[in-house]
Amino acid sequence: QVQIQQWGAGVLKPSETLSLTCAVHGGSFSGFYWTWVRQSPGQGLEWIGEIHHSGHTKYNPSLKSRLTMSRDTSKNQFSLELRSVTAADTAVYYCARVVEEMDDAFDVWGPGTTVRVSS
Amino acid sequence: QSVLTQPPSTSASPGQSVTISCSGGNSNVRINVVTWYQQRPGTAPQLLIYSSHKRPSGVPDRFSGSKSGASASLTISDLQSEDEADYLCAAWDDTLMAPLFGGGTKLTVL
Repeated sequence: QVQIQQWGAGVLKPSETLSLTCAVHGGSFSGFYWTWVRQSPGQGLEWIGEIHHSGHTKYNPSLKSRLTMSRDTSKNQFSLELRSVTAADTAVYYCARVVEEMDDAFDVWGPGTTVRVSS
Repeated sequence: QSVLTQPPSTSASPGQSVTISCSGGNSNVRINVVTWYQQRPGTAPQLLIYSSHKRPSGVPDRFSGSKSGASASLTISDLQSEDEADYLCAAWDDTLMAPLFGGGTKLTVL
């Protein structure tokens, strides 16, 4: 059974860089896109972007200028960096697996990491 | 960020049925499939319905999805207490080039 573990810094100051990592356990890392989604109280869920095991990325155009996603196939891990954060980036950040055969539904999710941006 | 429109809340008694709507537009729900997720407080969303009407293995057949035009619906029949959760819809948006999510509907089982 596929499980996703995630971690990263929970408190940031404005202008700093948010860094989060997810590790995939118990299943294949290859052949899938891996996605990041965030959820803030006032905004609902927002798609951040996704990365294929090959390294190909798709980013939300609204965040693209601040965003870098990467992956380490030797560790079955993928990471998110969001630069120049502001209070608007305060949210719970989730990572998940994208299943192409399910019309790109997100079928396995990490538990979420709460990120707060505050001076 | 644009969102798909869902009613903020709904309620029903155990054993009853409830339908939750998800309204979109010409660049998302009308032309693309809809996905539904269930989210209990403090936990990550869980996949409930994909491709507008298909259930992943393990999801009871009490949950069903449909789509017509720019609107989609999730119906839960024979409501049970453990169905109390938030339900979120999602669909790819061809204009924004990103998946959009609904604001979520909080279901209370009376």
